[in-house]
Amino acid sequence: DAGVIQSPRHEVTEMGQEVTLRCKPISGHNSLFWYRQTMMRGLELLIYFNNNVPIDDSGMPEDRFSAKMPNASFSTLKIQPSEPRDSAVYFCASSHGLEKYNEQFFGPGTRLTVL
Amino acid sequence: AQSVTQLDSHVSVSEGTPVLLRCNYSSSYSPSLFWYVQHPNKGLQLLLKYTSAATLVKGINGFEAEFKKSETSFHLTKPSAHMSDAAEYFCVVSDRAGGFKTIFGAGTRLFVKA
Repeated sequence: DAGVIQSPRHEVTEMGQEVTLRCKPISGHNSLFWYRQTMMRGLELLIYFNNNVPIDDSGMPEDRFSAKMPNASFSTLKIQPSEPRDSAVYFCASSHGLEKYNEQFFGPGTRLTVL
Repeated sequence: AQSVTQLDSHVSVSEGTPVLLRCNYSSSYSPSLFWYVQHPNKGLQLLLKYTSAATLVKGINGFEAEFKKSETSFHLTKPSAHMSDAAEYFCVVSDRAGGFKTIFGAGTRLFVKA
């Protein structure tokens, strides 16, 4: 049974370039979350979707960040233009709804380095 | 307002000795509580969760946690540490009151010495 799939696993880009991170949630899960993890700030929730609809994007740091979920099996997180301070590990997670007892299943993460 | 505090940023134990990772939470209602583990360069994996059933929750790899409402605590324990337990551990509180809220603790890094 495939878990949450993220691609790419590693991304190195130069400042100013557009970066697109991809996520495929677990089949049947209808909630999807994007997180960012850094040493300084720990794990931060950026945005989450329920039934493909963005529910709360208050964690998105700036307008340079955008996320979409065009269908139940795919989501993207885009940074345009990228900056060195965006360097982090970005995790996607999915769950079977937004009830408080629903655990989230995490992907392996995308390690982004912006030079 | 919800919050979660992991009382130790680092814990070091010897292999074969008990593990205690401390977590205190604040929630206005009846939350669910989780412990996740993150091994180096990996995603987070659920260890166990409390959802208002039994207060002593058993998880994977011999870990367990006890929900103590009077102390607002959800400490993670294991009787005997193994080298493979070296990882970062996150305590998480989740509630639905006022909208979906899931708060991650800052994490506790567990070191296991041979």
